[in-house]
Amino acid sequence: QLQLQESGPGLVKPSETLSLTCTVSGGSISSRSCYWGWIRQPPGKGLEWIGSVYYSGSTYYNPSLKSRVTISVDTSKNHFSLQLSSVTAADTAVYYCASQAYISDWANWFDPWGQGTLVTVSS
Amino acid sequence: EIVMTQSPATLSVSPGERATLSCRASQSVSSNLAWYQQKPGQAHRLLMYAASTRATGIPARFSGSGSGTEFTLTISSLQSEDFAVYYCQQYENWPLTFGGGTKVEIK
Repeated sequence: QLQLQESGPGLVKPSETLSLTCTVSGGSISSRSCYWGWIRQPPGKGLEWIGSVYYSGSTYYNPSLKSRVTISVDTSKNHFSLQLSSVTAADTAVYYCASQAYISDWANWFDPWGQGTLVTVSS
Repeated sequence: EIVMTQSPATLSVSPGERATLSCRASQSVSSNLAWYQQKPGQAHRLLMYAASTRATGIPARFSGSGSGTEFTLTISSLQSEDFAVYYCQQYENWPLTFGGGTKVEIK
């Protein structure tokens, strides 16, 4: 059974880079039937898709964050990572990683999700 | 960007009653819509994909319908474990977008 777990610092200073890793267990990150995505949820707000990566390194990013986001995959460690640069308080959120079904050359729904990790941006 | 709008924001329902949640897209997403359930302290759970296909292990009391811009998630007889927040998500176009959520609470 596929499981995902986010890890990384819970506190990041303004203007610095947020870095998170999602470790995949119970399956291979090199699967051709999955994209791997990051989604976030600011406190009391809704869900925002950040971006998705394929095992080959192909990525899609949310245009609202594209200039600050890098998502990469490490097949040797079976994990993928998120980097968000120049963070501000507005980037405070619970960050989730998730597997994304890749069917008929299209990335689709997210399943399963990690539990999420709260990242606070504060000095 | 396709904007997803969910209504109502909060739905108060008694156990055993029927709950109907709505999700509207700002442009057609065909049937490329998923529904998720979020409970405190738990991972998001996929309920429905392709608008009306139940995910593995989802009880039959959950059903989805709609296509184009109007979608509905129905819970036929609410159980105690169904009180949660529900989100819709379109995967017709990048960027992927979610609705703002509907909280189903005990009446």
